[in-house]
Amino acid sequence: SYELTQTPSVSVSPGQTAKIICSGHALPNQYTYWYQQKSGQAPILLIYGDSERPSGVPERFSASSSGTTATLTISGVRAEDEADYHCQSADSRGAWVFGGGTTLTVL
Amino acid sequence: EVQLVQSGGGLVQPGGSLRLSCEASGFTFSNHFMTWIRQAPGKGLEWAANIRQDGTEKYYAASVKGRFAISRDNAKKTLFLEMNSLRVEDTAVYYCARHLLVGATLYNGMDVWGQGTTVIVSS
Repeated sequence: SYELTQTPSVSVSPGQTAKIICSGHALPNQYTYWYQQKSGQAPILLIYGDSERPSGVPERFSASSSGTTATLTISGVRAEDEADYHCQSADSRGAWVFGGGTTLTVL
Repeated sequence: EVQLVQSGGGLVQPGGSLRLSCEASGFTFSNHFMTWIRQAPGKGLEWAANIRQDGTEKYYAASVKGRFAISRDNAKKTLFLEMNSLRVEDTAVYYCARHLLVGATLYNGMDVWGQGTTVIVSS
């Protein structure tokens, strides 16, 4: 079955830039979506259509996709950004799939 | 306020059944593709099932196909997940979610999520 691969954890200091990577062979053909999930809460959509931000999502969250890799970038990381980040896409048959999640730790 | 409020869930024995509900408010429910996603304890998100706006097309993950059934009642603005032949590995928090609609473009991403409901399958 199709899988999306994410680095399990990323650590950055406040004010630095965090990059979270998601890789999958079908990413060139499907949009990537990114979610933030804080402990005990439902996920929140951060990015849709590879790089679009829904209204209300801070500009410090941005994303891009190139080939089989999608990248979520958090600029000027804040303590409140500490959370799990999940990428999501679909395979060629339209089955939705999530990455395993990346835990962002703000040092 | 746009929201999805979930109900159902609980503790059930292996082989048992449960029905989850997800009531929408604050938006035109019948315009949106809807999805159930689950998250096992300490694990990532897993897509379970989704359903077309008019309910005519339904899609299931291999892990739940043949055991779970997704449905919707647009008049009551409610999404359902009927879960049968439950297994220990179905233990998870289950979320309903609305697919993003921007103008006339429907995206595979989900912009509104329910609060989650816990299903525990254990003897």
